[in-house]
Amino acid sequence: AQSVSQHNHHVILSEAASLELGCNYSYGGTVNLFWYVQYPGQHLQLLLKYFSGDPLVKGIKGFEAEFIKSKFSFNLRKPSVQWSDTAEYFCAANSGNNNDMRFGAGTRLTVKP
Amino acid sequence: KAGVTQTPRYLIKTRGQQVTLSCSPISGHRSVSWYQQTPGQGLQFLFEYFSETQRNKGNFPGRFSGRQFSNSRSEMNVSTLELGDSALYLCASSLMPREKLFFGSGTQLSVL
Repeated sequence: AQSVSQHNHHVILSEAASLELGCNYSYGGTVNLFWYVQYPGQHLQLLLKYFSGDPLVKGIKGFEAEFIKSKFSFNLRKPSVQWSDTAEYFCAANSGNNNDMRFGAGTRLTVKP
Repeated sequence: KAGVTQTPRYLIKTRGQQVTLSCSPISGHRSVSWYQQTPGQGLQFLFEYFSETQRNKGNFPGRFSGRQFSNSRSEMNVSTLELGDSALYLCASSLMPREKLFFGSGTQLSVL
């Protein structure tokens, strides 16, 4: 069955620490991968997406993610987090040309000032 | 440009009742998808519509249904409500399937 899993439920970091949030997917065939973020009191919004091409994808606010096909992973990274990165992060995937998006359970990131 | 609009914002129902939620996508967006968000299960895909046709459906019982109108507005209906249906129901729209999703604020449904 198609699924997305995120390893960390809650991550707490200090400002300037490096971030890596894990995401693994289980999909057959072509897969499109996404990271969405939900800041407190705001809508879900897209951070970055991967469809094809360069497996290292750069998104907004200094985030990047690397697609590793052999590991079925799409981990999110940021070299130096800020207090304003406190939010919930969702990894998501869909297949082919569909919008049947499957989301991971989410990782809550708390950045201490 | 107005964002995705969902109405109502909050809803309280009792078990056994039915409910209809509405979603107006961003102007020009033809793809609308629905998600259920709960603390325990996270975000779960309900269904996706494009040009008034349901393209995909998630693993939800038949009590959950939806439709899309010619102006791309969409409704979802839940019949015979159960306590476990209490959740935030999110609607998202995109220009085309597979494109970036824009989410609404959601409808918070409480079933008593």
